[in-house]
Amino acid sequence: SQQGEEDPQALSIQEGENATMNCSYKTSINNLQWYRQNSGRGLVHLILIRSNEREKHSGRLRVTLDTSKKSSSLLITASRAADTASYFCATGPNTGFQKLVFGTGTRLLVSP
Amino acid sequence: NAGVTQTPKFQVLKTGQSMTLQCAQDMNHNSMYWYRQDPGMGLRLIYYSASEGTTDKGEVPNGYNVSRLNKREFSLRLESAAPSQTSVYFCASRWDRTEATNEKLFFGSGTQLSVL
Repeated sequence: SQQGEEDPQALSIQEGENATMNCSYKTSINNLQWYRQNSGRGLVHLILIRSNEREKHSGRLRVTLDTSKKSSSLLITASRAADTASYFCATGPNTGFQKLVFGTGTRLLVSP
Repeated sequence: NAGVTQTPKFQVLKTGQSMTLQCAQDMNHNSMYWYRQDPGMGLRLIYYSASEGTTDKGEVPNGYNVSRLNKREFSLRLESAAPSQTSVYFCASRWDRTEATNEKLFFGSGTQLSVL
């Protein structure tokens, strides 16, 4: 079964607006990662946040992690049409070999 | 650098046919992975290889076999294809400092497989 569930499943916004996607997971984790997938392409890593971190920034991306609620959020500020893609969270287990388990994804559409 | 290269990009099989999906990485990564992606299901791990010479089952291994041929190459074989194996298949690799560290995955561009 999937470890992560993204919410919402789909999001449609205008250029310049902020986009927020949420990820909930079920078991204790070592870290959580966010990936982006453009249509017909492979996934590309965006950002990694470790279980002892609460917030992380990378350019227009802001990720938060709340381990007590087993949830994370990805905020994309000042969205652009080029941000149109699917976004996935992925978690690594608390112990042992770090095989990533992916969520079901959020489809983001940014209209000009 | 080519990164992670998958072949073929597209394949149509008839039920019962066999085929092998090839994957190679040129980044000297230790671990390699095969995922399948189905609509509404996200990515599910089929098999992985933590290091050269080892392979382990993931979440959905039934109907598949893998071979870690060397450090660069990790192939996925469907012995007797079924319509339920219609999917997009992604290979990925990662450099691991230790077994417990977790760096980012690098993905290939995918193989779209249809089983009729």
